[in-house]
Amino acid sequence: NAGVTQTPKFQVLKTGQSMTLQCAQDMNHEYMSWYRQDPGMGLRLIHYSVGAGITDQGEVPNGYNVSRSTTEDFPLRLLSAAPSQTSVYFCASKGRVGTEAFFGQGTRLTVV
Amino acid sequence: KNQVEQSPQSLIILEGKNCTLQCNYTVSPFSNLRWYKQDTGRGPVSLTIMTFSENTKSNGRYTATLDADTKQSSLHITASQLSDSASYICVVPYSSNTGKLIFGQGTTLQVKP
Repeated sequence: NAGVTQTPKFQVLKTGQSMTLQCAQDMNHEYMSWYRQDPGMGLRLIHYSVGAGITDQGEVPNGYNVSRSTTEDFPLRLLSAAPSQTSVYFCASKGRVGTEAFFGQGTRLTVV
Repeated sequence: KNQVEQSPQSLIILEGKNCTLQCNYTVSPFSNLRWYKQDTGRGPVSLTIMTFSENTKSNGRYTATLDADTKQSSLHITASQLSDSASYICVVPYSSNTGKLIFGQGTTLQVKP
């Protein structure tokens, strides 16, 4: 059981480039989310999904797009990378209400 | 405003000693509270989930308490080990039907030999 798999683990982008962070879970979870973690701050929600075909914005959605075409996959797209998007990104999935959330290993993104 | 605040921000203890981490929340309505451990360079891993009706819950050397009246929780670590060095994050669901979570800033614990 792989849990939540994120790729890549590390990425360096130039300002203006675009890329997609991949996230996949094999637990048939309804809820999937993307967070960013910056020094001295708690994880902040970027986008989330409550099921295939359904996505919504979180706390800091600007500059990011998501889609949820299948239950398993929830990719995060950076449209035009900016240095302010330098961060560690975590994908999480969660089952029914009251159960724990499972996190991927994270993607450390640097935008230069 | 729905918030989760943790203290202290960081903590250094000697191996074998006990410590207690604090979490205060203002999230309403409240359903449950989670404690996660995050090792450096890794994703958070769940330690325990406490529901409204639970006061104390243990997971090995970790014991979490919850006071829903004062909206406070604590995580007590007994007989600390070097492997306990990590960030400990308090998390409260914001909405039960969306899976959205509110994270505290975390307490960074360093256990020294």
